[in-house]
Amino acid sequence: AQSVSQHNHHVILSEAASLELGCNYSYGGTVNLFWYVQYPGQHLQLLLKYFSGDPLVKGIKGFEAEFIKSKFSFNLRKPSVQWSDTAEYFCAVIYSGYALNFGKGTSLLVTP
Amino acid sequence: EAGVAQSPRYKIIEKRQSVAFWCNPISGHATLYWYQQILGQGPKLLIQFQNNGVVDDSQLPKDRFSAERLKGVDSTLKIQPAKLEDSAVYLCASSPARAFLNTEAFFGQGTRLTVV
Repeated sequence: AQSVSQHNHHVILSEAASLELGCNYSYGGTVNLFWYVQYPGQHLQLLLKYFSGDPLVKGIKGFEAEFIKSKFSFNLRKPSVQWSDTAEYFCAVIYSGYALNFGKGTSLLVTP
Repeated sequence: EAGVAQSPRYKIIEKRQSVAFWCNPISGHATLYWYQQILGQGPKLLIQFQNNGVVDDSQLPKDRFSAERLKGVDSTLKIQPAKLEDSAVYLCASSPARAFLNTEAFFGQGTRLTVV
């Protein structure tokens, strides 16, 4: 069965540190890839998405992600995190003809 | 543009009681999803509608969960009877395209259900 794996369940960083959250999926066919963020008490919001084309995609708030097809990966990065980035981050994948499949999420805490 | 509306925001019920959640998707969105998000986990798809037809309900516990999307717009999700393990946030999402590829889903704020 297709699956989405997020490697880090809890991450704690100091402000200005660089962030990289791992995401791998298990399907060899066509996929659409997403990163969603959930700030405390708020609903899921789309950070960025990859459908096709340039494998390096830029999203809101300075986030970016790189699709590496050979590694089945779609890692999320940000060069310098802020306290306001404290949130839950979810990688999600649409496999051909199916709905969003989410990873288990990574809880990010940014300390001042 | 109005977002996905869900109600109620919070619900506390006793086990074996029934409960219903309501979702109003973004106007014109053909696809509607219900997800269950248990604390500490990612959302899990329960059911997916395309207009008023069910596309995927393979992970819906059909002995106690039911959902409908009459007229292809609003949707309700019902649990009867509820169990303790049903405590979760129930998320509704919608997306515009008829096809499932090259589209994104927009989420409501969810209904937090606590079963005691």
